[in-house]
Amino acid sequence: NAGVTQTPKFRVLKTGQSMTLLCAQDMNHEYMYWYRQDPGMGLRLIHYSVGEGTTAKGEVPDGYNVSRLKKQNFLLGLESAAPSQTSVYFCASSYSSDAQPQHFGDGTRLSIL
Amino acid sequence: AQSVTQPDIHITVSEGASLELRCNYSYGATPYLFWYVQSPGQGLQLLLKYFSGDTLVQGIKGFEAEFKRSQSSFNLRKPSVHWSDAAEYFCAVFLSGGYQKVTFGTGTKLQVIP
Repeated sequence: NAGVTQTPKFRVLKTGQSMTLLCAQDMNHEYMYWYRQDPGMGLRLIHYSVGEGTTAKGEVPDGYNVSRLKKQNFLLGLESAAPSQTSVYFCASSYSSDAQPQHFGDGTRLSIL
Repeated sequence: AQSVTQPDIHITVSEGASLELRCNYSYGATPYLFWYVQSPGQGLQLLLKYFSGDTLVQGIKGFEAEFKRSQSSFNLRKPSVHWSDAAEYFCAVFLSGGYQKVTFGTGTKLQVIP
């Protein structure tokens, strides 16, 4: 049982490049989330999904897009990377609601030069 | 706005000593409270949760937490710290009827010295 898997684990981009981060969960969870973690700021919610085919904005959505075409996958896209998007990105999932515990992936460390 | 405060950014304790990590949250109707632990290079792992009932909850790895509604607090405790407990700890809150999303604190980094 892999839980939540994020790919890639590390990536370096140049300003203006685009990329997609992939999150896959094998627990049949309805809810999925993308967070960014920056020093001293905890986790901030970027986008989330409450089920296949749905997405919604979180606290810091600007510069990111997401898609949830399949229940088990949640993709995070950076359209035109900026140095301010240098961060560690975490994907999480929960069974049926925000009141349930979240299961986290190991993160993607992204550097924008 | 819904908020979670972890007032201690960094705490150092000796191995075998007791530990208490503080967490306070803004008032909400029905709080769902969580503590997570993050080891270096890894994601967050759930330590324990409080939804209702007994205000003292037990978690994994010998941790416990007590919910005090009057103080809007959910402090994490461990009677005897082990070197392997060195990590960053995050409190998280979901307040029904409020923001409708889980809010994480900024974390407390625990250092354990021999």
